[in-house]
Amino acid sequence: GAVVSQHPSWVICKSGTSVKIECRSLDFQATTMFWYRQFPKQSLMLMATSNEGSKATYEQGVEKDKFLINHASLTLSTLTVTSAHPEDSSFYICSARDKGGGPYNEQFFGPGTRLTVL
Amino acid sequence: AQKITQTQPGMFVQEKEAVTLDCTYDTSDQSYGLFWYKQPSSGEMIFLIYQGSYDEQNATEGRYSLNFQKARKSANLVISASQLGDSAMYFCAMRERAGANSKLTFGKGITLSVRP
Repeated sequence: GAVVSQHPSWVICKSGTSVKIECRSLDFQATTMFWYRQFPKQSLMLMATSNEGSKATYEQGVEKDKFLINHASLTLSTLTVTSAHPEDSSFYICSARDKGGGPYNEQFFGPGTRLTVL
Repeated sequence: AQKITQTQPGMFVQEKEAVTLDCTYDTSDQSYGLFWYKQPSSGEMIFLIYQGSYDEQNATEGRYSLNFQKARKSANLVISASQLGDSAMYFCAMRERAGANSKLTFGKGITLSVRP
C-alpha cells in the first residue's frame, strides 16, 4: 500500500523556537496533502490543505503566519511551527492523496509527529 | 450541526465476540464517501473500510463490515471475532463532493477496549 512518512516522529523544543515537520509520500505522487492537529483523546482537526506549487488553504482559526506550509514537490510537504509556545504542543499528522487515485480514494496518513514545547 | 456523530463514549467487548461502533452523518450531497479509521496508541491512522454513497452492497474487508443505512444516514462499523489488538480509537469520517481538495471530516472517535 501507499506509504507516507513523517519526520521527526517526535520533537521537544524550547518556547520561541521554530520547528519544521516533513511529510513525504514514498511511493506515489500526491497533488494534495493535508495537515491535521490532534489533542489527546480527541479527533483530528484539519489545519490546512496544500497543493503542489501553490499556497496552502488554511481552515478558519488557524494562523497561517504561525503554521507555515510548503508543498514544494509532488512528494514533499513541510509544516513549520514558528515561534512555538507550550500551547502548540500537540500531535501533528499529515495525509496525502494519490494523484492517480479516484475522487474517493482513501487518504494515506503519516505516522504523526509529537511536538512538545517547553 | 455536526457532520459526523459518534456518541458512544467507550466500548468494551469480550475477545472473540463481535462489536458494533455507531456512526451517523449529515450531508445534503448525493455523492459522498464514508470511511473508518483505526488509531492505536502509537498514533498512526489505519484505514479500515470505505463505503460509497452509491454502493448498493455493504462494504466488507476481512473482519470489518460496514452496515450502511442510507435513509437513516448511518454507517456503523462491525468488527467480528474481536482480538486484543483491536483495542484502539476508531474514527468515522466522510468526504463530500469529489475533487482533489475535498476534505475528510472526522467524528470525535470511539475508544474500543477488548477484554481477554
